[in-house]
Formats: sequence, C-alpha cells, structure tokens
Amino acid sequence: EIVLTQSPATLSLSPGERATLSCRASQSISDYLAWYQHKPGQAPRLLIYDASHRATGIPARFSGSGSGTDFTLTISSLEPEDFAVYYCHQRSNWPLITFGQGTRLEIK
Amino acid sequence: QLQLQESGPGLVKPSETLSLTCSVSDGSISSTTYYWGWIRQPPGKGLEWIGTVIYSGATFYNSSLKSRVTISLDTSTNHFSLELKSVTAADTAVYYCASGPSQQLDGQSYYYFMDVWGKGTTVTVSS
Repeated sequence: EIVLTQSPATLSLSPGERATLSCRASQSISDYLAWYQHKPGQAPRLLIYDASHRATGIPARFSGSGSGTDFTLTISSLEPEDFAVYYCHQRSNWPLITFGQGTRLEIK
Repeated sequence: QLQLQESGPGLVKPSETLSLTCSVSDGSISSTTYYWGWIRQPPGKGLEWIGTVIYSGATFYNSSLKSRVTISLDTSTNHFSLELKSVTAADTAVYYCASGPSQQLDGQSYYYFMDVWGKGTTVTVSS
C-alpha cells in the first residue's frame, strides 16, 4: 500500500496569507496525485489532478506542484472560504488508491 | 452533469450488515466512461477508500475490509450498492459514493481521479 503523509496536520493562517501544504508518498507515484478540499457536511471537491492541473472551475489561486514522492498544494492568497481540510490522494496503483490523513487549514 | 446520492439506514446494530445505495443521475451505471466507488470518513479521522466497481461489474476492495465488503451494480435501477457485514462501532462513519472518469483506448483501460461525489450519509453502529 502506498502511504501518503501530509504536513502539517494543522495550519493556522489569516486571510490574504499564502498557504503551503505538503504531501509525501512512501514510494514514487509519478504525477498521479490529486488534492481535494473538504468542508463539514459537504462532498469533497477535486481541486488539483495529476499533481499540477486545476480541475474545472477551480480558482487560479490554487496551484499544485511536485512529482515522484514530494508534492505541494499552494494557495496564493487565502480567501475566507478556503478554510477547510485538504487531502492528497494517489491513483498510481489504481484501483488500490489511498488518501493522506489531511491537513486542517484554520483561521488564525 | 453526473449526480450521486447516497441512501440507507442511519443506524445499524453491531454484528449486522450495513447496506447503502448510491443513485446515479444524468449518467449510466453501465457506461464505460465512468467507474464507481465508496469512501468513508470515521469521526475525527481522514478519508478511507472502501472499494470500487467498474462497468463490467468487476470489483476491487481495500484489503483491510475485503472479507466483509460487497459492492455491486444494479443496471435496472441505475444505482450501485455497498454491503458491509458484521459491523462494529469502528464502522461508524460518513459514507460517500463517488465516480471517476475512465477511458478505453487501444484495448487498455485508464482510470482517473474521482471528480463527482455524493454529499455523504452518516451511519452509526450502535445497539
């Protein structure tokens, strides 16, 4: 099983600040990584797929980078609606997909 | 735009079977352009993949749940289902159904990230 480790577990920032979230895979997954945003009571929302491609309708302030084992989600300038839990997710050995444990982005 | 909706009992007794259904709208469950999955989130924890079914009915399960899980397609009603046997309190979670695009190309199948999710349904295991 490919294990995804996200850091930090919690990130406390203010609106307007830049957020950097990390995801490390236990083995190389090429660029088969996605990022999801999850708010309470809502469905997870696909933000980034294949490491760096924004999904349809996702604002340009969200960007993804990385390949192999180390990946980053960057939110360039936080909006109030961006405070949520973010998960990374790999499909490198589909169908045996896995998720990271999540990073909670909270308002400072 | 594909839409998914989970349904099923919100309360299940320990040792019994959890049964959920995911209704699919604006898309066919038997289409080769989608695959279907179940994911859960226990209270205070992250997302856990349960299993996946593709258009042919072939299924794939998380090894930690494999002995207790069955996922199936119902083409007559355009939904897919989850059954989890012998539940315990550890199975208490929000259960999501989800779908991702798939592509058949030159005899190969390609499966992409799940981009349509249901809103989730809470299942509590308690006597």
